Amino acid sequence: ETGVTQSPTHLIKTRGQQVTLRCSSQSGHNTVSWYQQALGQGPQFIFQYYREEENGRGNFPPRFSGLQFPNYSSELNVNALELDDSALYLCASSSFEGRANTEAFFGQGTRLTVV
Amino acid sequence: AQSVAQPEDQVNVAEGNPLTVKCTYSVSGNPYLFWYVQYPNRGLQFLLKYITGDNLVKGSYGFEAEFNKSQTSFHLKKPSALVSDSALYFCAVRVPYGGATNKLIFGTGTLLAVQP
Repeated sequence: ETGVTQSPTHLIKTRGQQVTLRCSSQSGHNTVSWYQQALGQGPQFIFQYYREEENGRGNFPPRFSGLQFPNYSSELNVNALELDDSALYLCASSSFEGRANTEAFFGQGTRLTVV
Repeated sequence: AQSVAQPEDQVNVAEGNPLTVKCTYSVSGNPYLFWYVQYPNRGLQFLLKYITGDNLVKGSYGFEAEFNKSQTSFHLKKPSALVSDSALYFCAVRVPYGGATNKLIFGTGTLLAVQP
């Protein structure tokens, strides 16, 4: 098991609502990335946080936003939920060391269902 | 554009036989390549990576992968499959984004089924 923990593990929300997912990174890691994995597909990069700032973003609309805290933990916020947002949301932590990142270690994911 | 292809949706192999899960990639520059495994209702577990150096990379649980630059491939292999290896396997490439960004592009995954 990795040291990356996510909460909650499962969540059901209604279309139009807002949701916040949480992630605690592995000890010693300073970078957190978020991925969306729809059923039957590979994970898709949402964005990454480093030094509490967004540092790279995938093809997701602005209603997907996030935060990173001084202890390197992170939140993913999704506003105005749509049915297609139903997916497994994965958090990955890594450590940026000078010129390169270590490999990413993933949490167990949060399964979000939008009804 | 950077991309990863896993041409097989499913691979079936008998326990004790060797297994291969295929992956090809398209990147500009030197590729950073990874294999991850996903068990049902779980996150991704890191298996191995290729950054530079020997073309044969050894990883966790007896898995290894062979990097072939001319064929732009990074196939995952294991000499003797176990029933417990049955899972979903993802190949990924790290996108050179600049700075601290660690964006991974994943393939669509290959379901490995090992029959007893």
